Amino acid sequence: EAGVTQFPSHSVIEKGQTVTLRCDPISGHDNLYWYRRVMGKEIKFLLHFVKESKQDESGMPNNRFLAERTGGTYSTLKVQPAELEDSGVYFCASSQDRLSGELFFGEGSRLTVL
Amino acid sequence: AQSVTQLDSQVPVFEEAPVELRCNYSSSVSVYLFWYVQYPNQGLQLLLKYLSGSTLVESINGFEAEFNKSQTSFHLRKPSVHISDTAEYFCAVSYITTGANNLFFGTGTRLTVIP
Repeated sequence: EAGVTQFPSHSVIEKGQTVTLRCDPISGHDNLYWYRRVMGKEIKFLLHFVKESKQDESGMPNNRFLAERTGGTYSTLKVQPAELEDSGVYFCASSQDRLSGELFFGEGSRLTVL
Repeated sequence: AQSVTQLDSQVPVFEEAPVELRCNYSSSVSVYLFWYVQYPNQGLQLLLKYLSGSTLVESINGFEAEFNKSQTSFHLRKPSVHISDTAEYFCAVSYITTGANNLFFGTGTRLTVIP
């Protein structure tokens, strides 16, 4: 069974440009999460989808970030326009339920904004 | 506000030696506790968790952690480490009131096992 896959693994862009990160969750997992880790700091929650609906987007830093999950399958996270402080590793995770505490993570997408 | 503190950012230890990775949390309400591990070039994966019941929980590869409510700690221990344990370890908590999957992570501890 395929795990959570993320694309691209690394993206280098200039300040002001746009980047779109993609996450394919494990098949059948209704819950999809986005997290971000800025260098040396904790992994922070961004948002949570249940199927195609945003269950909790309290962690989204500002309106330059837009997450979608059309059809309840894969998800995209767009940053437009990117700023220097957006650099970090963006993790996607999925789970079958919301009670077990077991999230399945992808390897992450490293974003570098120059 | 809830927070998780992992005081040690890096822990080098010789192979077959014991190790303890420390985790403290602050919360005014009851929590669930987790340790996740990230091996090189892989995603994070759940190592062990405390939801309820026995305060001592174990993983399949010999790690254990004990929930200590009075000290608000959930330290991770292994009596004898292997080279393959080299990884970054993340402590995480979630509120019982908002569900186990709403995780708050610490800053991580990079464990390096030296041959």
